Amino acid sequence: EVQLVESGGGLVQPGGSLRLSCAASGFTFSKYAMSWVRQAPGKGLEWVSSFSGTTSNTYYADSVKGRFTISRDNSKNTLYLQMNSLRAEDTAVYYCAKEWQFDAFGQGTLVTVSS
Amino acid sequence: DVVMTQSPLSLPVTLGQPASISCRSSQSLVHNDGNTYLDWFQQRPGQSPRRLIYKVSNRDSGVPDRFSGSGSGTDFTLKISRVEAEDVGVYYCMQGTHWPRAFGQGTKVEIK
Repeated sequence: EVQLVESGGGLVQPGGSLRLSCAASGFTFSKYAMSWVRQAPGKGLEWVSSFSGTTSNTYYADSVKGRFTISRDNSKNTLYLQMNSLRAEDTAVYYCAKEWQFDAFGQGTLVTVSS
Repeated sequence: DVVMTQSPLSLPVTLGQPASISCRSSQSLVHNDGNTYLDWFQQRPGQSPRRLIYKVSNRDSGVPDRFSGSGSGTDFTLKISRVEAEDVGVYYCMQGTHWPRAFGQGTKVEIK
């Protein structure tokens, strides 16, 4: 059974940094692209970033480009999202998702950017 | 960037009746590889999203057959043949053909 468990969320001040993790199990992690998708309170889904499974290609939404960095450690079956220069508008539940077409999501981790 | 537009944004439905959600893209979603990467997701209240349909019309494992997807090019539809109470939630379409990925605004399905 595919399991994705996010962690690392919390309260951070504007301009601060946070690193999210997504621990994966139940599938061969290294073979699959992985992504981050977020949802601001009461709002819809927004794609944030993706990391290829077979190459080192990464992709970012314009709203986070230059501030967020996606990475993965295939030896630990873990996906990361380093978030710097955080803004109030980054406040959201962050989900990790498996495969290019998001065939599984984790339970999410809440990031709150506020002073 | 591709813009995904769903309608309606709110859909009150009587139990046992059909429901239909439209999703239109600002550009064709036919990929260079010949596939059309249009997916549908369900998000029940308080839960994570769950994929229902991939590549326009393929149901994910465990998805009831009352859910069906259709369409081509820029015009797509999700249909629920007979709405059940567990179908309450928000439904999103998403295009996976072009970068950046884009979701529709979401359609809230509720029981009348």
